[in-house]
Amino acid sequence: EPEVTQTPSHQVTQMGQEVILRCVPISNHLYFYWYRQILGQKVEFLVSFYNNEISEKSEIFDDQFSVERPDGSNFTLKIRSTKLEDSAMYFCASSIFGTGEKVAKNIQYFGAGTRLSVL
Amino acid sequence: GQQVMQIPQYQHVQEGEDFTTYCNSSTTLSNIQWYKQRPGGHPVFLIQLVKSGEVKKQKRLTFQFGEAKKNSSLHITATQTTDVGTYFCAGVTGNNNDMRFGAGTRLTVKP
Repeated sequence: EPEVTQTPSHQVTQMGQEVILRCVPISNHLYFYWYRQILGQKVEFLVSFYNNEISEKSEIFDDQFSVERPDGSNFTLKIRSTKLEDSAMYFCASSIFGTGEKVAKNIQYFGAGTRLSVL
Repeated sequence: GQQVMQIPQYQHVQEGEDFTTYCNSSTTLSNIQWYKQRPGGHPVFLIQLVKSGEVKKQKRLTFQFGEAKKNSSLHITATQTTDVGTYFCAGVTGNNNDMRFGAGTRLTVKP
């Protein structure tokens, strides 16, 4: 069964360093998402991406975050200058559709996540 | 902005007892989705509810969507140890697919 893959599974970095989290969405999906989950807390929406541009972002997704689809398969989340509070599990998700008229098929499939530890 | 509230935060039951978790949205939803996250795992899609008043069943799990499309519930009959995990609802509004998750209900089951 097709799945969303994320690398690395665990990333350790020093505060102030840049990190890039990588995701390979399911191949025929068109909508891509990043979520964050701080340990023991709820899953928080960061950003959605369609047609090579951001379609929506949350208040968490500030100027230190950026997303990119550099080629036909990868979808990346970059954090420019990591802070201690960025430590969390980051999940990538993808869906075939994203619009209301296709609502029955807008199920999001999640990757296994990347655990980011900022020291 | 849209907020999704979910209660209870934790639920500990004896195996065989029933379990229910509730979600309420501050705004009308186009659909609501339920996910299960096992300890150390990632959210796994369970079901999507779209229509007002919709009820769907998956074996021992019953999902309901309120008439006003602002609340939803998940009920598990006769829990088993395999039901352990955190159950999240996620509400979708408008024409995009941006989900807002509830805080989740962590279910533990004592054998």
